[in-house]
Amino acid sequence: EPEVTQTPSHQVTQMGQEVILRCVPISNHLYFYWYRQILGQKVEFLVSFYNNEISEKSEIFDDQFSVERPDGSNFTLKIRSTKLEDSAMYFCASSGDRSLKNIQYFGAGTRLSVL
Amino acid sequence: GQQLNQSPQSMFIQEGEDVSMNCTSSSIFNTWLWYKQDPGEGPVLLIALYKAGELTSNGRLTAQFGITRKDSFLNISASIPSDVGIYFCAGQLGSGANNLFFGTGTRLTVIP
Repeated sequence: EPEVTQTPSHQVTQMGQEVILRCVPISNHLYFYWYRQILGQKVEFLVSFYNNEISEKSEIFDDQFSVERPDGSNFTLKIRSTKLEDSAMYFCASSGDRSLKNIQYFGAGTRLSVL
Repeated sequence: GQQLNQSPQSMFIQEGEDVSMNCTSSSIFNTWLWYKQDPGEGPVLLIALYKAGELTSNGRLTAQFGITRKDSFLNISASIPSDVGIYFCAGQLGSGANNLFFGTGTRLTVIP
């Protein structure tokens, strides 16, 4: 069964460093998403991406965040200068189409630890 | 952002018992979804609901989309140990906004 894959599974970084989280969405999907889950809390939407541009973003997704689809298969989330409060699980998701019946499939996540 | 409140926050039940949890919002959603999250994993979709009043089953799971479009419930019948996990409701506003708003989660523990 097709799945969303994320790498690395765990990333440890020093405060102020840049990190890039990588995702390979399901191959025929057109919509891509990043969500964040701080330990013990609910999953929160960060950004959605379609047709090589951001379609929606939340207030969490500030100037230190950026997303890119550098080639036909990868979808990345970059955090320019990490802060302690960026420590969380980051989930990538993808879906096939924009209709209300589209289903978002989630990857297993990348645990980001900022020290 | 949208607030989706789930209750109860946690449940401890005996294997074989039925479970019921619900999700309420102050906003109207056009789609309600229920996800399960195992430790260290991403959310996995259980049931999707697209119409007010809709009642949908997936094996031992049954979920309903509330008539007001501001709530939903999930029932699990005859619970088994692998039902353990965190259950999240999620809503989509529709009208071009595709992102999911997740609930606060219900942590289920099944005692064998």
